[in-house]
Amino acid sequence: RKEVEQDPGPFNVPEGATVAFNCTYSNSASQSFFWYRQDCRKEPKLLMSVYSSGNEDGRFTAQLNRASQYISLLIRDSKLSDSATYLCVPSGSARQLTFGSGTQLTVLP
Amino acid sequence: NAGVTQTPKFQVLKTGQSMTLQCAQDMNHEYMSWYRQDPGMGLRLIHYSVGAGITDQGEVPNGYNVSRSTTEDFPLRLLSAAPSQTSVYFCATRGGANVLTFGAGSRLTVL
Repeated sequence: RKEVEQDPGPFNVPEGATVAFNCTYSNSASQSFFWYRQDCRKEPKLLMSVYSSGNEDGRFTAQLNRASQYISLLIRDSKLSDSATYLCVPSGSARQLTFGSGTQLTVLP
Repeated sequence: NAGVTQTPKFQVLKTGQSMTLQCAQDMNHEYMSWYRQDPGMGLRLIHYSVGAGITDQGEVPNGYNVSRSTTEDFPLRLLSAAPSQTSVYFCATRGGANVLTFGAGSRLTVL
């Protein structure tokens, strides 16, 4: 089993829609989790950190399910500018953060 | 505040040539790392450093060397480039709470 698995998508949704994607991880020792956003041909940038059961920041909600070892990212009221690839990172090892391969989201007008 | 600066942004090499990708940070972070990103593969860790004078291998270290003589700089060296090293390379530092800050990337093509 891969250390981090994400559905690659692509997810194509209309503007205003709600979309969610999951990320499963294998290292049960992971204590913190991160979602990064990567625009085409750009560097990844931190979107959200999750240290307990979840986190909410405006239209974005991240939820952690430790029992099933997955984290989810929910985006409400999708905007065109949300189109990007979303990368999941569980902090299994403080020295070597392992990234998921990303989920591609396209928000359509 | 520049953050993490990578040079060059683009480079084309011939097989067997050597080069160094530069990474400099002004965030005073101890931890620095190099990732490569290939289509469908996600980001893979090449080498990392937890402080000046200390380096260690990541997931895909073969073909790459690093050194860390100062806190600010963490160069990545390709001694004999191969087409399999065609990729986008990202340097990243890590501050509090394991949050990574990336440079803008260096796109390398090996012919």
